[in-house]
Amino acid sequence: NAGVTQTPKFRVLKTGQSMTLLCAQDMNHEYMYWYRQDPGMGLRLIHYSVGEGTTAKGEVPDGYNVSRLKKQNFLLGLESAAPSQTSVYFCASSDNYEQYFGPGTRLTVT
Amino acid sequence: AQKITQTQPGMFVQEKEAVTLDCTYDTSDPSYGLFWYKQPSSGEMIFLIYQGSYDQQNATEGRYSLNFQKARKSANLVISASQLGDSAMYFCAMRDSGTYKYIFGTGTRLKVLA
Repeated sequence: NAGVTQTPKFRVLKTGQSMTLLCAQDMNHEYMYWYRQDPGMGLRLIHYSVGEGTTAKGEVPDGYNVSRLKKQNFLLGLESAAPSQTSVYFCASSDNYEQYFGPGTRLTVT
Repeated sequence: AQKITQTQPGMFVQEKEAVTLDCTYDTSDPSYGLFWYKQPSSGEMIFLIYQGSYDQQNATEGRYSLNFQKARKSANLVISASQLGDSAMYFCAMRDSGTYKYIFGTGTRLKVLA
């Protein structure tokens, strides 16, 4: 039982490049979330999903897109990376109680 | 709008002492959930404790207890008998029962002194 996994763990991008972060969960949870964590700002919700095929905007959605084509996967895309998107990204899933978090992806945009 | 406020950026506590980490929240919804998470220096997020808005009793999990004062909209975390391994960042969070969104506070960094 792997729980929540994130791929990749680290990435360095140049401004303007694109990439996709993959989140996978094996707990059959309906709800999945993408957060970014910046120093002094806690976790801020980017996008979330309440079921397969659904997505919704969170607190800081600009510059990101998401897709949930399969229940177990939640993808976060950056179409044109900017230095302001340098952050640690966490994925989480939930069964409507506590959230289970992935280990995080450290992204640096130069 | 919903909001979580943690006013203590950093706290120190002596080993074996108890410590209270403050959390206040703001919501107009009658149904909500309150959570505390621990983030050690290794970076992972660890669930500690949960309190539902309709729960009459304060939640407890081992050395962790949640001091829930609904009228004051506070959900303070109490750690009893602090251990060196409790040194970490602690986040208070609230779940909106209607939208299933979670909102996090900015965190409190706790340092346990030997």
